[in-house]
Amino acid sequence: DIQMTQSPSSVSASVGDRVTITCRASEDISTWLAWYQQKPGKAPKLLIYAASHLQTGVPSRFSGSGSGTDFTLTISSLQPEDFATYFCQQANSFPSITFGQGTRLEIK
Amino acid sequence: VLLVVCGGGLAQPGGSLRLSCAASGFSASGHYMSWVRQAPGKGLEWVSLIYAGGSPYYADSVKGRFSISRDNLMNTVYLQLNGLRAEDTAVYYCARDLPTITIFGVEDYHGMDVWGQGTTVTVSS
Repeated sequence: DIQMTQSPSSVSASVGDRVTITCRASEDISTWLAWYQQKPGKAPKLLIYAASHLQTGVPSRFSGSGSGTDFTLTISSLQPEDFATYFCQQANSFPSITFGQGTRLEIK
Repeated sequence: VLLVVCGGGLAQPGGSLRLSCAASGFSASGHYMSWVRQAPGKGLEWVSLIYAGGSPYYADSVKGRFSISRDNLMNTVYLQLNGLRAEDTAVYYCARDLPTITIFGVEDYHGMDVWGQGTTVTVSS
């Protein structure tokens, strides 16, 4: 199985800050990576697909980059509604997809 | 475009449950549909998928115990959970998955763009 490792596991930040979350795959996954946001008690929400493509309706302060094994999710200016947990997910070995362990973004 | 999940509840170890995922606003039969679960306080784990053509796939952790199916008339996907174990306790989500697959493998991937609200399965005696 392809392992996905996110870092950091948690991060504290303030409204207006720029935050970057990284995701590393255990092998080359090309650009077949998605990012999701999950708030407590809710289903995940798709933010980014194919590593860098913004899902319709997602604010432009979210961006993704990377290819191969190393990927990043950046939030350019944190808003109060962005405090949540973020997951990366690889689809290169579809249908056996795997998720990262999650990064919890907390208010400082 | 909506997915509504139901069927969770309390089951004893070794017991069974059937989850359903009703789609509206699109045809589930024309898409790849996945089940993903999340144990309490844990991350996301892919469980099963059914292809547009009907082929099922399962995670090793549930293979031989869980079964995915679809009813095209009802526009619903099901997950039959048999032989339940304590470690199956989780919130179960269904999601529409958007890969482009060819004989060469994944050619494009648009993520899991629609998710159901989830249903809780608790396995305990």
